[in-house]
Amino acid sequence: AQKITQTQPGMFVQEKEAVTLDCTYDTSDPSYGLFWYKQPSSGEMIFLIYQGSYDQQNATEGRYSLNFQKARKSANLVISASQLGDSAMYFCAMREGSNDYKLSFGAGTTVTVRA
Amino acid sequence: EAGVTQFPSHSVIEKGQTVTLRCDPISGHDNLYWYRRVMGKEIKFLLHFVKESKQDESGMPNNRFLAERTGGTYSTLKVQPAELEDSGVYFCASSQRRAGLETQYFGPGTRLLVL
Repeated sequence: AQKITQTQPGMFVQEKEAVTLDCTYDTSDPSYGLFWYKQPSSGEMIFLIYQGSYDQQNATEGRYSLNFQKARKSANLVISASQLGDSAMYFCAMREGSNDYKLSFGAGTTVTVRA
Repeated sequence: EAGVTQFPSHSVIEKGQTVTLRCDPISGHDNLYWYRRVMGKEIKFLLHFVKESKQDESGMPNNRFLAERTGGTYSTLKVQPAELEDSGVYFCASSQRRAGLETQYFGPGTRLLVL
């Protein structure tokens, strides 16, 4: 079964607007962590933001925020005030349990920011 | 502080040949991971080292793949003999477990093409 689902293969967003990238996950473990990574065309994977399953508040990092809805098992990434440099592929990933370190990744969403 | 580095950035080899990929983690990171993304598929976990020990190698596809981390510093991933389906991008990541937050920082990847 797919652990991480990203249903949007590609999205276009106008510069300075906000964009929401969907991510749903599947786990029966009460302890887990959710991550978002950005992969620009240069290929490197850049860590953006983390949300722990026990965190009471939604994570925020600058223009990135994570809309964590535990009951729905969703962890959507919101990028505010999009910039041209935000054009990239974005991956949602999950670590399950407190002793298991490996990440399960979604298929990714390609974001293209238009001027 | 230097990030995770990988060498080579690209490798083109013929089926049946051997290729060795190298990863240098962030200094002080005990955890080192290998992942790969084959064309059109999700990024998949291969294995996890804690210092020089293999903690989890459940993602290694078969015995043509051999990973080592002698001395607990850099790691190598050897594919011998390479097959066409081994083509893809091989990522290395490292982390330092701290207070329940285990963020993996990725290298730029090695793009392997087997002809």
